[in-house]
Amino acid sequence: QVQLQESGPGLVRPSETLSLTCTVSGDSISGRYWSWIRQPPGKRPEFIGYIYHSDRGRTDYNPSLKSRVTISVDTSKNQFSLKLTSVTAADTAVYYCAMVPSLWGQGTLVTVSS
Amino acid sequence: EIVLTQSPGTLSLSPGERATLSCRASQSISANSLAWSQHKPGQAPRVIIHGVSSRAAGIPDRFSGSGSGTDFTLTISGLEPEDFAVYYCQQHGNSPVTFGGGTKVEIK
Repeated sequence: QVQLQESGPGLVRPSETLSLTCTVSGDSISGRYWSWIRQPPGKRPEFIGYIYHSDRGRTDYNPSLKSRVTISVDTSKNQFSLKLTSVTAADTAVYYCAMVPSLWGQGTLVTVSS
Repeated sequence: EIVLTQSPGTLSLSPGERATLSCRASQSISANSLAWSQHKPGQAPRVIIHGVSSRAAGIPDRFSGSGSGTDFTLTISGLEPEDFAVYYCQQHGNSPVTFGGGTKVEIK
């Protein structure tokens, strides 16, 4: 049974970089699309982007975030990661890693505040 | 991007009743790329339906999905106490992936 678990700081200061990692257990990270989704308080989920490791690490990012987002894979650890630069309070959200559309992680709340 | 509009925003029903949730897309969704997920506080969201009408593993048959093109429906025939939650539709056939605004199914 595939499981996903997010990890990373719960508090990030404005203008800094948000960094999260998703550990995949129960399956190889190769050959699937791995995604990040976020949900600000009281709002609908928002797709951040995905990576497909088996296709030269092909990525696709939401145009609204593309200039600030990087998603990468570490096959040795069976993990994939999210980096979001220059964060503001508007980036406060629960961040989920996911295997769209089949599986979501538990989610982790990231608050942007000084 | 494809905008998904869910209705109603809140559905107040009693256990045992039938729930009908709607998801309308701003343009036709390709290749059966429509899914429904169930969200409860403190839990990992759970995918209920994928490919418009296929139940995910372990999902009871009181859940069913239907629709095509721009109009889709999730039906729960006979609500159980554990079914009260927020449900989101999601399309992943067009980039970027987008989500509906959610329908909260609450106990009446």
